[in-house]
Amino acid sequence: AQSVTQPDIHITVSEGASLELRCNYSYGATPYLFWYVQSPGQGLQLLLKYFSGDTLVQGIKGFEAEFKRSQSSFNLRKPSVHWSDAAEYFCAVAARNNDMRFGAGTRLTVKP
Amino acid sequence: SAVISQKPSRDICQRGTSLTIQCQVDSQVTMMFWYRQQPGQSLTLIATANQGSEATYESGFVIDKFPISRPNLTFSTLTVSNMSPEDSSIYLCSVKGTLGDKNIQYFGAGTRLSVL
Repeated sequence: AQSVTQPDIHITVSEGASLELRCNYSYGATPYLFWYVQSPGQGLQLLLKYFSGDTLVQGIKGFEAEFKRSQSSFNLRKPSVHWSDAAEYFCAVAARNNDMRFGAGTRLTVKP
Repeated sequence: SAVISQKPSRDICQRGTSLTIQCQVDSQVTMMFWYRQQPGQSLTLIATANQGSEATYESGFVIDKFPISRPNLTFSTLTVSNMSPEDSSIYLCSVKGTLGDKNIQYFGAGTRLSVL
């Protein structure tokens, strides 16, 4: 079965600084990969997804992620973080049979 | 995309009672899922609800505790039965299989449940 590891439980960055959130997955084939964001008291919002093709995917709110098959990674990046980006970020992997698994999440704090 | 409405958005319940959570989608979807998110934790899949068949439960979740209905392609309910404080969590409805986005899963805002 597939699994997802988000090594960083909590990350703090200064507003305007760049951001990279790590995600590693385990799956026997090319999976579907996702990043979701959960703001306090809210549900999950899809930031971006990777199914196939170009390994660098663009998402909403200025986020991007790069699929690296050799490293089994799908790291999320943003060049300049805004205070409103403070939230919980979840990486998820879905097998072709629809079974989606989530990582433990990374909580992002943005310092003024 | 899909617009998912969950009711109630939050509730405080007494031990031993039951709560039914409703999930309404603005379009027909093939698959609906129910997740639990315990405080400070990630999401755990409770069950998959497909219209016209029994829900499929994940290991550790049973129908007697979490009965699910899926009467049509836009609606589902999850009941948390005989609640205990350990059931205090966020319960999230998720859908998949909307027209044009069949591989993307969308989430409702969740139901925040506190059991006293």
